Amino acid sequence: GQNIDQPTEMTATEGAIVQINCTYQTSGFNGLFWYQQHAGEAPTFLSYNVLDGLEEKGRFSSFLSRSKGYSYLLLKELQMKDSASYLCAVRDYAAGNKLTFGGGTRVLVKP
Amino acid sequence: DTEVTQTPKHLVMGMTNKKSLKCEQHMGHRAMYWYKQKAKKPPELMFVYSYEKLSINESVPSRFSPECPNSSLLNLHLHALQPEDSALYLCASSQEGPSTGELFFGEGSRLTVL
Repeated sequence: GQNIDQPTEMTATEGAIVQINCTYQTSGFNGLFWYQQHAGEAPTFLSYNVLDGLEEKGRFSSFLSRSKGYSYLLLKELQMKDSASYLCAVRDYAAGNKLTFGGGTRVLVKP
Repeated sequence: DTEVTQTPKHLVMGMTNKKSLKCEQHMGHRAMYWYKQKAKKPPELMFVYSYEKLSINESVPSRFSPECPNSSLLNLHLHALQPEDSALYLCASSQEGPSTGELFFGEGSRLTVL
């Protein structure tokens, strides 16, 4: 099975930086995804890591350490519209490559 | 066109009704998924179709019956549901199959069972 942990909630100020951590345990790691989900909307893809290191995409970056079972999503220059849930998801080839989501981290950006 | 389209957006049904949720994508993706999401919880996988064949069934009760008529369409047939089945049902697709690529999600169908 899989165990994916991330903090439940985080609060940050507009213009600041927030780092959302995700730890996971899986039998057959085959990629880690970050999704953003606004209330009442569908999840939208943010980033994908399968090798160790940092992937940067504009204001969002994601880091992966496979040996530590650890990832983080870094949000820079926070904007009010970044208030959303951020879901860490892990794909496991030992489970038919199913994608399992963590509980999500609700980020609240304050002015 | 990078959309996954789901209909209806909202559905209210009684426990004896039979209804269907529909999902369509025209991105040429070969894997399609149904997820269930309760309020303030993450999406939970229900079914995966890969190349139009059911590849994963997460021990979903038989009152949920998936169907993949062709590579662009995915249906979820609902019968004799319970109030606890009320949730947001998300359809997703991915390009090559479950082993690669990100999932693209539809807007979801919000189901209420009375």
